[in-house]
Amino acid sequence: QVQLQESGPGLVKPSQTLSLTCAVSGGSISSGSYYWSWIRQPAGKGLEWIGRIYASGNTNYNPSLKSRVTMSVDTSKNQFSLKLSSVTAADTGVYYCARGGSNFDSWGQGTLVTVSS
Amino acid sequence: DIQMTQSPSTLSASVGDRVTITCRASQSISSWLAWYQQKPGKAPKLLIYKASGLESGVPSRFSGSGSGTEFTLTISSLQPDDFATYYCQQYNSYSPLTFGGGTKVEIK
Repeated sequence: QVQLQESGPGLVKPSQTLSLTCAVSGGSISSGSYYWSWIRQPAGKGLEWIGRIYASGNTNYNPSLKSRVTMSVDTSKNQFSLKLSSVTAADTGVYYCARGGSNFDSWGQGTLVTVSS
Repeated sequence: DIQMTQSPSTLSASVGDRVTITCRASQSISSWLAWYQQKPGKAPKLLIYKASGLESGVPSRFSGSGSGTEFTLTISSLQPDDFATYYCQQYNSYSPLTFGGGTKVEIK
C-alpha cells in the first residue's frame, strides 16, 4: 500500500518561498498512470487543490495560485515537491500531498505551515 | 471554476439514523464526483468515486448517487465512527479541481 509523507519547514516568513517535499513509499512514483497532487486546508476551513504533477514532469496548477506555484518530481528519490513563492498569512494552513490528479485515494498525514515574521 | 455547494453545513444525528448529504455543482459534471470523510487532525479519506463507486474497504452503509449537477451521499445507519466532516469534490474539470465547503455530522 502506497504511503506519502510531507516534510518541510513549519514556519515561513512573509514574502518568502514555502518549500515542501512528499516522499512516496510502497510503490514507485513512476509506475501506474498516477498524477500526484498538493492540497491545502486553512485552519477550520475547507480544502483547496493546489496542483498536480505526473512522473514525466507534466503539471497543472490551480489558476488562482499558478503565478506562485512550481511543482517538480524526482523519480530517483521517489518524491515530488511544491514551491509557493511570495507567501502571505493567507497561505497558512495544513498542506497535504496525495496520489491522484482527479480524485485522491491516498493522502499524507499533512504538515502545518505557518506564515509569520 | 466549478462551484460545489454542500448542504447542510452541519447535521445533528443519532447512532442508527439514516443520513443524507447533498452536493450541487454550478454546472454539469456528469458523474465525476468524489466524496471524502475527514476526522479532526487527520487527512481526508476517499469514500466514493465517480458518484457511486464505493472505494475498497469502505463500509457498505455508505452510498453515493446522482449525476449532472445534483449528488447525494447517504449513510444508511450512522455509526459512532461516522461522526466527521464530509466533502464532495468534482473532477470534471481540473482547471481547477474543486471541493464543497463540507458537512459536519455531529452527535445529536
